[in-house]
Amino acid sequence: SYELTQPPSVSVSPGQTARITCSGDALPKQYAYWYQQKPGQAPVLVIYKDSERPSGIPERFSGSSSGTTVTLTISGVQAEDEADYYCQSADSSGTPLFGGGTKLTVL
Amino acid sequence: QVQLVESGGGLVKPGGSLRLSCAASGFTFSDYYMSWIRQAPGKGLEWVSYISSSGSTIYYADSVKGRFTISRDNAKNSLYLQMNSLRAEDTAVYYCARVILYCTNGVCSPGYGMDVWGQGTTVTVSS
Repeated sequence: SYELTQPPSVSVSPGQTARITCSGDALPKQYAYWYQQKPGQAPVLVIYKDSERPSGIPERFSGSSSGTTVTLTISGVQAEDEADYYCQSADSSGTPLFGGGTKLTVL
Repeated sequence: QVQLVESGGGLVKPGGSLRLSCAASGFTFSDYYMSWIRQAPGKGLEWVSYISSSGSTIYYADSVKGRFTISRDNAKNSLYLQMNSLRAEDTAVYYCARVILYCTNGVCSPGYGMDVWGQGTTVTVSS
């Protein structure tokens, strides 16, 4: 079955750049979305259509796509960015699915 | 403001049933596809089901197909999830979410992402 693969964890120091990848065979054909989820809270959309940022999301969040991999980049990481991040897309039949999630730790 | 509020969660025995509701406000509910997503304790997000704006198109994850039924009442700005034959592995926080809508020159089509989420309702299946 189709999967989206993310690293379980990423660690960065404040002010540095965090990059979280998501790999999947259908990513060249389907847009990717990224969500931020803090403990005890609902997910928040931070990137849609691979690289678009919803209103209200800080400019330090950006997305990119290359082949079968999409990347969420957080520039100038702040302590408040510590959270779980999930990528999401759809398989060839249009069924939505999520990656396993990446825990971002700000050291 | 745009808001989704889930209700109906609780403790239910294996094999039992539960109906979740999601009340929408602050946007034209009938314009949007809607989804249910769940998150088991300590686990990641799992898409469960979505329904088109009119209710005519419905998809389910294989894990719930034949047991769960999604529906909507556009007159009441409400989304529902009827869950039957519940299993321990259905224990999770259930979120309703609005499916993102792309509009160009007045023509709109849904994407696969979710741009507005409710706060979630907890379903526990245990004897």
